[in-house]
Amino acid sequence: DAKTTQPNSMESNEEEPVHLPCNHSTISGTDYIHWYRQLPSQGPEYVIHGLTSNVNNRMASLAIAEDRKSSTLILHRATLRDAAVYYCILRPYAGNNRKLIWGLGTSLAVNP
Amino acid sequence: NAGVTQTPKFRVLKTGQSMTLLCAQDMNHEYMYWYRQDPGMGLRLIHYSVGEGTTAKGEVPDGYNVSRLKKQNFLLGLESAAPSQTSVYFCASSYSGLAGGPTRSNEQFFGPGTRLTVL
Repeated sequence: DAKTTQPNSMESNEEEPVHLPCNHSTISGTDYIHWYRQLPSQGPEYVIHGLTSNVNNRMASLAIAEDRKSSTLILHRATLRDAAVYYCILRPYAGNNRKLIWGLGTSLAVNP
Repeated sequence: NAGVTQTPKFRVLKTGQSMTLLCAQDMNHEYMYWYRQDPGMGLRLIHYSVGEGTTAKGEVPDGYNVSRLKKQNFLLGLESAAPSQTSVYFCASSYSGLAGGPTRSNEQFFGPGTRLTVL
């Protein structure tokens, strides 16, 4: 199963953009790239996902490299509430949520 | 619409005691999952269910049993608790695991977690 690599921690200032990187060099052609985040003392929550094209939603944007070996989650204006652990995960097209590999993610600190 | 709820939120057990964790979802999801989360490790799948009356083993099933008698409920049981089972347990649910393309995320919805300590 393909794995992802993320920095352990990152820091940002409030109202500034944040770019959270993820490397997934062993991604297969049918793997979807998913991002979840986990706020302190809560369960993870879905943020965004994509396959090949860049994606935008109300929470964030996802930029996917042309070779799909890396991606970047973009928070356009960080708020204090965005302080969380962000997980980058690959999900096989077959839809096997049961085969998701959850790493340690990136712990994002947001300074006021 | 409560989403995914877990009962209890906290529990302390002595070694050898048994308990059941209850997960309930009101989104009519087919798939349900139980994870554990330990410091320094990512979420690990214990058991999962693809529908009412069905269960399957995940990555770390030993010491746990599960049941899915009703579509909306997924129970996790510890028959004889051990200190190694001290952890935070998360339940999750999702639509069918089959990907529906980029417009359907098949995202998992997680509960708030149960913090279990086994002494």
